[in-house]
Amino acid sequence: DAGVTQSPTHLIKTRGQQVTLRCSPISGHKSVSWYQQVLGQGPQFIFQYYEKEERGRGNFPDRFSARQFPNYSSELNVNALLLGDSALYLCASTQGAEAFFGQGTRLTVV
Amino acid sequence: KQEVTQIPAALSVPEGENLVLNCSFTDSAIYNLQWFRQDPGKGLTSLLLIQSSQREQTSGRLNASLDKSSGRSTLYIAASQPGDSATYLCALRVDYKLSFGAGTTVTVRA
Repeated sequence: DAGVTQSPTHLIKTRGQQVTLRCSPISGHKSVSWYQQVLGQGPQFIFQYYEKEERGRGNFPDRFSARQFPNYSSELNVNALLLGDSALYLCASTQGAEAFFGQGTRLTVV
Repeated sequence: KQEVTQIPAALSVPEGENLVLNCSFTDSAIYNLQWFRQDPGKGLTSLLLIQSSQREQTSGRLNASLDKSSGRSTLYIAASQPGDSATYLCALRVDYKLSFGAGTTVTVRA
């Protein structure tokens, strides 16, 4: 079975631009979460979606938004990019107790 | 708010030595605790999951303990190998989200 897949793996954007990151959960998993990991720190929770409904949101500005599709894949959108948004963005899918993470998307804002 | 601390931030050991990694947390009302491994620039690989009602879990050379009353978890890695070099993160699940420590970066010298 394929694990959690994220795309793209890397991208570079300019300040003020918008970006969309994508995630496909493990087959059968209905819950998807997004995390931001700044270099040298642990991941910080951004969003959780379950059955296409937002279940939780972390302490991030409204520039961050997400959605989940009927096939349980998800997109994370970030508007008006700032230099401080440069980070590794991680997607996790959960079924039951254990969370499984993808390889992440490295976003660099210049 | 759940605070998760991992000490030390980094350690270097010779091959064959046993590793002891510590994780402390402030709120004992957790659903479960997971230990992850992260290689540089990569996603998270789940190592062990300990449910709130459990005291420890074992997988091969890895053993993790959980003491909710003292707010501590410990990951033991027996007979370390150079391939164990990575950053190890603990994460506590409360409701829908994971709260992470900053990780311990391990270097195993051949």
